[in-house]
Amino acid sequence: KQEVTQIPAALSVPEGENLVLNCSFTDSAIYNLQWFRQDPGKGLTSLLLIQSSQREQTSGRLNASLDKSSGRSTLYIAASQPGDSATYLCAAIDQTGANNLFFGTGTRLTVIP
Amino acid sequence: DTGVSQDPRHKITKRGQNVTFRCDPISEHNRLYWYRQTLGQGPEFLTYFQNEAQLEKSRLLSDRFSAERPKGSFSTLEIQRTEQGDSAMYLCASTVTGGYEKLFFGSGTQLSVL
Repeated sequence: KQEVTQIPAALSVPEGENLVLNCSFTDSAIYNLQWFRQDPGKGLTSLLLIQSSQREQTSGRLNASLDKSSGRSTLYIAASQPGDSATYLCAAIDQTGANNLFFGTGTRLTVIP
Repeated sequence: DTGVSQDPRHKITKRGQNVTFRCDPISEHNRLYWYRQTLGQGPEFLTYFQNEAQLEKSRLLSDRFSAERPKGSFSTLEIQRTEQGDSAMYLCASTVTGGYEKLFFGSGTQLSVL
């Protein structure tokens, strides 16, 4: 079974700092990897999706990379803002036909004004 | 297109009662998923539908849980004889086949079993 781990569990940074969130997965046979944002008590908002054939995706201040061989993905946030404070979750969808996402436990980010 | 809609947002019930949640996916999405999330954890897969067919169920989905998606549109998730361990956020997500499986989530239903 695919296992997804996110480090660190929590992170506090001052506003304006660049930061990297890490995600690792045990089974490299993934179909894609998605990064989500979750605000307290709310559902998930998709940020970026990287297909297995891709190495990275960018959206505004966000850049996600994927290295299947090492089982790792990173989410880079440039020039962090207080509004970026949320929990960030990565999820891998595998190729076994299970057709579901395996989530990490998330990184809780706090950007201090 | 207003996104994935879930109802109710919050549900408080007594142990042993039955509860039902509803999910309305994005209109052109043929796949619909149910997930459960407890505090501090990532969502866990429960079941998914392609159109009206329920194609997979997790072992987490005990016999007290049942899901339907009549006519391949909205879906309901029913929990019978609720237990305190059922307290969680129940999330619905939808996607369209061939859309690289990018899932769009609703805001969830927060269930509290007293």
